[in-house]
Amino acid sequence: GQQLNQSPQSMFIQEGEDVSMNCTSSSIFNTWLWYKQEPGEGPVLLIALYKAGELTSNGRLTAQFGITRKDSFLNISASIPSDVGIYFCAGQNRSGNTPLVFGKGTRLSVIA
Amino acid sequence: SQTIHQWPATLVQPVGSPLSLECTVEGTSNPNLYWYRQAAGRGLQLLFYSVGIGQISSEVPQNLSASRPQDRQFILSSKKLLLSDSGFYLCAWSPVSSGNTIYFGEGSWLTVV
Repeated sequence: GQQLNQSPQSMFIQEGEDVSMNCTSSSIFNTWLWYKQEPGEGPVLLIALYKAGELTSNGRLTAQFGITRKDSFLNISASIPSDVGIYFCAGQNRSGNTPLVFGKGTRLSVIA
Repeated sequence: SQTIHQWPATLVQPVGSPLSLECTVEGTSNPNLYWYRQAAGRGLQLLFYSVGIGQISSEVPQNLSASRPQDRQFILSSKKLLLSDSGFYLCAWSPVSSGNTIYFGEGSWLTVV
């Protein structure tokens, strides 16, 4: 089956630092999504990417759809304590009703 | 706007007891529906998905089953729970026009004791 490798597994950073995480796929994807999950809640969609090379921002968050269509990264600038959570990448390799494939998540801890 | 709700939010069940988690979506028609499980601190495992009433696809063999009796209702069940069924269960939906973007419910914590 399809595999998504998400890294790093966890990060401990100081408040104000920038954060970068990425996902790579063994196959080409048509869609990349990034979600954030806070403790005890369902994941919330942060950014959706639909075209190779696409760079999209949502506040301090920026994500890019890799040109090879096999990778994506998420950057968070000037981290704050409320950025704490688990960040998941997800991808889909064709349109229609195929379920998304999720990465295993990056657990972000921000030290004030 | 579309909303998704699942319940109960938390439950503690003894081994061997039955399970029923319910999920409903409002504000859309014929959504794709999903059940995921998340073990503590781990990733998301797709259990079931449905593209229509009575149409259920199972992703992993397990002690659980799913049903979709109505267009916007998705139920996760078990006849006899195992300890390994403990976890955080998430219902999700996506628009029928595209399976790309999934929206999650609030989650249900299940502890089997």
